[in-house]
Amino acid sequence: GQQLNQSPQSMFIQEGEDVSMNCTSSSIFNTWLWYKQDPGEGPVLLIALYKAGELTSNGRLTAQFGTTRKDSFLNISASIPSDVGIYFCAGNTDKLIFGTGTRLQVFP
Amino acid sequence: EAGVAQSPRYKIIEKRQSVAFWCNPISGHATLYWYQQILGQGPKLLIQFQNNGVVDDSQLPKDRFSAERLKGVDSTLKIQPAKLEDSAVYLCASSIWDGLDYGYTFGSGTRLTVV
Repeated sequence: GQQLNQSPQSMFIQEGEDVSMNCTSSSIFNTWLWYKQDPGEGPVLLIALYKAGELTSNGRLTAQFGTTRKDSFLNISASIPSDVGIYFCAGNTDKLIFGTGTRLQVFP
Repeated sequence: EAGVAQSPRYKIIEKRQSVAFWCNPISGHATLYWYQQILGQGPKLLIQFQNNGVVDDSQLPKDRFSAERLKGVDSTLKIQPAKLEDSAVYLCASSIWDGLDYGYTFGSGTRLTVV
């Protein structure tokens, strides 16, 4: 099945640093969503984006819906240890397609 | 509100055996999804129900996988017979369209190991 390409695949950063990750697709999506998944748990919705160019924040998280509708970006500012996990983008037209994931590790 | 409940949390079976997973969605959520998440990958949609009707099962391997949601609430996903490549986490999610809030809520999943 189709999956979105996320980069980087993994990141190892120090606490306090900012993080950027992105998601690209060959297809246009109507909605972009960003999820975080902790070990042994299901994904949890972080941010939802509904129109091209939209920039939305949720605390230290900021996400943008790319103007071409084929990409999206997620930034995390001032990372903390509990940001550790796997971040998935997901695009939606008539079904939700997930990205390949970015694994984030934060060192104190 | 209570989340999406799934059971069992873990299951180990031998190949060619059968297995069933159960999901209880959030009360009032009409749409229910089953996703398969293979280690190191993002979740992949297997089947989507709207109430007790199937909306999309295009990626469900119907020769061995089946799912039902008879009363429009609980759902079961069955694999018969299982193959080694079915080892994965099976996630159930439910949703309700609430204005701009997608309301996709996932359960904790069932981790299946086929040996």
